[in-house]
Amino acid sequence: EVQLLESGGGLVQPGGSLRLSCAASGFTFSNSAMTWVRQAPGKGLESVSSISGDGYAALYADSVRGRFTTSRDNSKNTLSLQMDSLRADDTAVYYCTKAAPFYLEYWGHGTLVTVSS
Amino acid sequence: EIVMTQSPGTLSVSPGERATLSCRASQSVSSKLAWYQQKPGQAPRLLISGASTRAIGIPARFSGSGSETEFTLTISSLQSEDFAVYYCQQYDNWPRTFGQGTKVEIK
Repeated sequence: EVQLLESGGGLVQPGGSLRLSCAASGFTFSNSAMTWVRQAPGKGLESVSSISGDGYAALYADSVRGRFTTSRDNSKNTLSLQMDSLRADDTAVYYCTKAAPFYLEYWGHGTLVTVSS
Repeated sequence: EIVMTQSPGTLSVSPGERATLSCRASQSVSSKLAWYQQKPGQAPRLLISGASTRAIGIPARFSGSGSETEFTLTISSLQSEDFAVYYCQQYDNWPRTFGQGTKVEIK
């Protein structure tokens, strides 16, 4: 059974940093592209970042490029999203997803990030 | 960026009736179109990929069609558990953009 478990969300002040993690199990992690998707409260879905299975290629939404960095540790089956220079409009539930390789086959339960002073 | 537009915004349907949801892309995405279902307080769930291929475990009452710029999700006979928000997503180009969603509510 595929499981994706996000952690690391919380309340952070504008300009601050936060690191999200996603623990994956139930599939061959190193063979799978992974994507972070976010959903602001009461709003729709936005693709934030995607990373290839080997970790060498990463894509970012214009809204986060230069502030967010996605990475993975295939030895630990873990995906990470380092978020710097956070802004109020980054407030959202962040979902870790398994891409197949481009549509989003499995989703974690999400972790809430709130950027507020 | 490819803009995905869903219609209607809200669809009121009685249980047992058919629901037809539309999704339009601002440029051709071939058949690289997925549909997701999201219930309140839950993560989205994949329903359809490749415009028409049901995901594992998705009931046959869900069907997808279309190509290029026009796509449709049909729920043949709505069950109580189908009342939710539905999103389409193109995965032909990055960023992989979503429509704004169609809420299917009980009439």
